[in-house]
Amino acid sequence: DAGVIQSPRHEVTEMGQEVTLRCKPISGHDYLFWYRQTMMRGLELLIYFNNNVPIDDSGMPEDRFSAKMPNASFSTLKIQPSEPRDSAVYFCASSFGGGGSNQPQHFGDGTRLSIL
Amino acid sequence: KQEVTQIPAALSVPEGENLVLNCSFTDSAIYNLQWFRQDPGKGLTSLLLIQSSQREQTSGRLNASLDKSSGRSTLYIAASQPGDSATYLCAVSLSSNTGKLIFGQGTTLQVKP
Repeated sequence: DAGVIQSPRHEVTEMGQEVTLRCKPISGHDYLFWYRQTMMRGLELLIYFNNNVPIDDSGMPEDRFSAKMPNASFSTLKIQPSEPRDSAVYFCASSFGGGGSNQPQHFGDGTRLSIL
Repeated sequence: KQEVTQIPAALSVPEGENLVLNCSFTDSAIYNLQWFRQDPGKGLTSLLLIQSSQREQTSGRLNASLDKSSGRSTLYIAASQPGDSATYLCAVSLSSNTGKLIFGQGTTLQVKP
């Protein structure tokens, strides 16, 4: 079992550039979550998908952020244009079933994003 | 609005001590509570999940308890080891219809040899 795979592990880019983060969930998992972690705000849920369909995007900070899940094995989180305050560690997680299944979420190792 | 608080923010103990990490939540209407471990530069690893109908869960040297009525959970680590050094986070699931978790800020544990 390869676990949740995120790429890139590190990204440094200049303000105003487009950033795309990628995630491959665990095979067979039907829920996928995108989180952001900062020292000030801790771990925040941005958006989650069930069977490739976005269910709750209320955590997405603003229109500069967008997420897609074109199939069961791939998701992207895009920031356009990027700003310094977007600097954080972004995690992807997947699970089999949502809260009702009482199954834990499995996290990737994250993408550390720095916007200069 | 559900809020999850973990105290203390940091803890340092000598190897071999038994210790307790605390987690409190403001709304007792939770579906389950999970404890995670996060090592530096890594993602979160699920340690224990307690369903709302359960009082505790155990895995090896770890024991997690849940008291919904008082809005509290504890993670007990027996005979701590330097390898237990990490940040421990608790998270609550709000309902069976959502995958949404609300996380605490975490407790960073250092176990000194």
